[in-house]
Amino acid sequence: QVQLVQSGAEVRKPGASVRISCEASGYKFTNFFLNWVRQAPGQGLEWVGMSVPRGGSGDYAQKFQDRVVMTADTSANTVYMELTSLTSEDTAIYYCARAATSLGAFDIWGQGTVVTVSS
Amino acid sequence: QSVLIQPPSASGTPGQRVTLSCSGITSNIRSYTINWYQQFAGAAPNLLIDSNNQRPSGVPDRFSGSRSGTSASLAISGLQSEDEAIYYCAAWDDSVNAWVFGGGTKLSVL
Repeated sequence: QVQLVQSGAEVRKPGASVRISCEASGYKFTNFFLNWVRQAPGQGLEWVGMSVPRGGSGDYAQKFQDRVVMTADTSANTVYMELTSLTSEDTAIYYCARAATSLGAFDIWGQGTVVTVSS
Repeated sequence: QSVLIQPPSASGTPGQRVTLSCSGITSNIRSYTINWYQQFAGAAPNLLIDSNNQRPSGVPDRFSGSRSGTSASLAISGLQSEDEAIYYCAAWDDSVNAWVFGGGTKLSVL
């Protein structure tokens, strides 16, 4: 079945970087976009950016532009999100979510990856 | 402060019809379609309504969406206890070139 499986929980110190993965299965990887959405503890949803697995540059929210990179490995049907210069405000659950087009709804979500930033 | 405005809470009794609102501006709701997501406690969000009023496969027809001008709404008829969740609206916003979400409405079934 169609699913997105994310890597496990991460703990980092302030100033460090984190890289999390999202492996897709059950559909043609390059035919869809993969978005990243985060949710801080007890808070709502926040879009981080979008990866284009078939090629081309990602599209990032302005807030994260300087410290996020999204890449794709088509041989492994996997997208990666790296976030640098972490602060405690980056503590959140990070979800990957599939969309059919760049402006399409997020129809399949990963299970989420907890990232904790603490000294 | 979320770009799209949703009331933080709503409630209803089993069998009732409830309507959740989502308010935006020209650069988002008026110009682009609205999607609604349902999130149960401790779980990832799920797509509930696509493109203002389209239900993905498997979503009961008790759920319906609509949009008018810079506002959108999600209606749930025949409310059930399992509808207790947080509901988020979302739209593309071309003033910031980003997806924006509402703060979410926590629905309680009394």
